[in-house]
Amino acid sequence: QKEVEQNSGPLSVPEGAIASLNCTYSDRGSQSFFWYRQYSGKSPELIMFIYSNGDKEDGRFTAQLNKASQYVSLLIRDSQPSDSATYLCAGGKVTGFQKLVFGTGTRLLVSP
Amino acid sequence: DVKVTQSSRYLVKRTGEKVFLECVQDMDHENMFWYRQDPGLGLRLIYFSYDVKMKEKGDIPEGYSVSREKKERFSLILESASTNQTSMYLCASSQTPDYSSLGQPQHFGDGTRLSIL
Repeated sequence: QKEVEQNSGPLSVPEGAIASLNCTYSDRGSQSFFWYRQYSGKSPELIMFIYSNGDKEDGRFTAQLNKASQYVSLLIRDSQPSDSATYLCAGGKVTGFQKLVFGTGTRLLVSP
Repeated sequence: DVKVTQSSRYLVKRTGEKVFLECVQDMDHENMFWYRQDPGLGLRLIYFSYDVKMKEKGDIPEGYSVSREKKERFSLILESASTNQTSMYLCASSQTPDYSSLGQPQHFGDGTRLSIL
C-alpha cells in the first residue's frame, strides 16, 4: 500500500462545476497536508495546505482533512479550463527532516 | 516569494559522463531536496539535506551523489550517467519551523529535463 494514494484520473468536469479531488494516507504520523498543482511540463506549485481537521478555504479552493478516516480532499469551485492540470497530494510527518510523501497525482480536465 | 533556481531547463548528455545539476534558493531555507519525476511513478526522492554539509539518502539514491557546501546551493551529481537516468529532475527547499512541529511546504524549482543518450 502506498503511503499517499490518489486516483490517477482523469477526472473530467464541465466548466463552472465543482471538482472534487481525493487523497488517502496510511501513516497516522502524518500531521500536515499539502496540495500542489502541476501543469504539463512544469514543476509543482503549492496551492493549499491544511493541518487541522475540518475545512480550510482560499478563494475557489477548499481543502478538507479528516484524520480519523485518513482522508484529504481538495474542492475547486467554479472550475475553469485553466484549472486543468495534475493535482498532487503530499503528507508530512512531525519527524523525518521535513520530508513530504507525495501521491502520484490526479489529472483534472475541465471542459469549456 | 520563494525562488528556487535550477541551472538548466534542458540538458543532453552521453552515457558515462559525469553530470552536475545545480540548485540555488534565496530564502535561507535549511532543507533542500532532489527528486526525479517519471510518468506513472510520481515524485521520487533521491537525496535531501537539512543543513550545510549534511545529506541523507532518499528512496532512490543509487547512481547519484549530492553536495551542499553553502546553505543556498544544493548540487546533484550523476557519477556516470546511464540512459535510465533520463528524467525530469526537480529541486525543492523548505524551512524548518522554529516552534511548531508541523511540516512545512516545499517550494520547487522549474525542473531540469535531462536526456542521457
